[in-house]
Amino acid sequence: GEDVEQSLFLSVREGDSSVINCTYTDSSSTYLYWYKQEPGAGLQLLTYIFSNMDMKQDQRLTVLLNKKDKHLSLRIADTQTGDSAIYFCAESVNAGNMLTFGGGTRLMVKP
Amino acid sequence: SQTIHQWPATLVQPVGSPLSLECTVEGTSNPNLYWYRQAAGRGLQLLFYSVGIGQISSEVPQNLSASRPQDRQFILSSKKLLLSDSGFYLCAWEGTGANEKLFFGSGTQLSVL
Repeated sequence: GEDVEQSLFLSVREGDSSVINCTYTDSSSTYLYWYKQEPGAGLQLLTYIFSNMDMKQDQRLTVLLNKKDKHLSLRIADTQTGDSAIYFCAESVNAGNMLTFGGGTRLMVKP
Repeated sequence: SQTIHQWPATLVQPVGSPLSLECTVEGTSNPNLYWYRQAAGRGLQLLFYSVGIGQISSEVPQNLSASRPQDRQFILSSKKLLLSDSGFYLCAWEGTGANEKLFFGSGTQLSVL
């Protein structure tokens, strides 16, 4: 079945860039998402990318997709302490279809 | 260890019929519980969340309701389904510690015909 993998933990210093990586196995994945979960809160959709794109930028966030290697990354420029959270990668075949989530990467930003 | 169960995995229902999706959590107590729906092109949409028995907060007005009759049971219901209720529904639980993360059920693909 489909599988989405992420590293569990990432620690960076404030002001540095953070790169969170994700790999997936389903070659028919069409939509790839990044969600943010802050302590005590539900999920917040940060951004998503269609599989026919290889990059998407939104302010401090840059998403890179390597479809050949089935590798997705989220880069956060100028990381702030408020970026400390858990980041989930997810994929789906269709926009309204089943989502498969990775296990989440806990990002810790040190001052 | 904690586990979350959500069923059924797929469901096909006629318009106007009732709905009951169930989610249970094992291995933890007093979790925060969530119901999400995959909204086309917009990722997950939070429908309901609950911080305790009988405590339900609704994020989006709709044809659905939620109940939490027991600490580790969260039910999503409808009296009369609409076509627009079709979608992928996901239950999640979260511990109440400051740094707990979300854990997801396997989801229910609902088709209303």
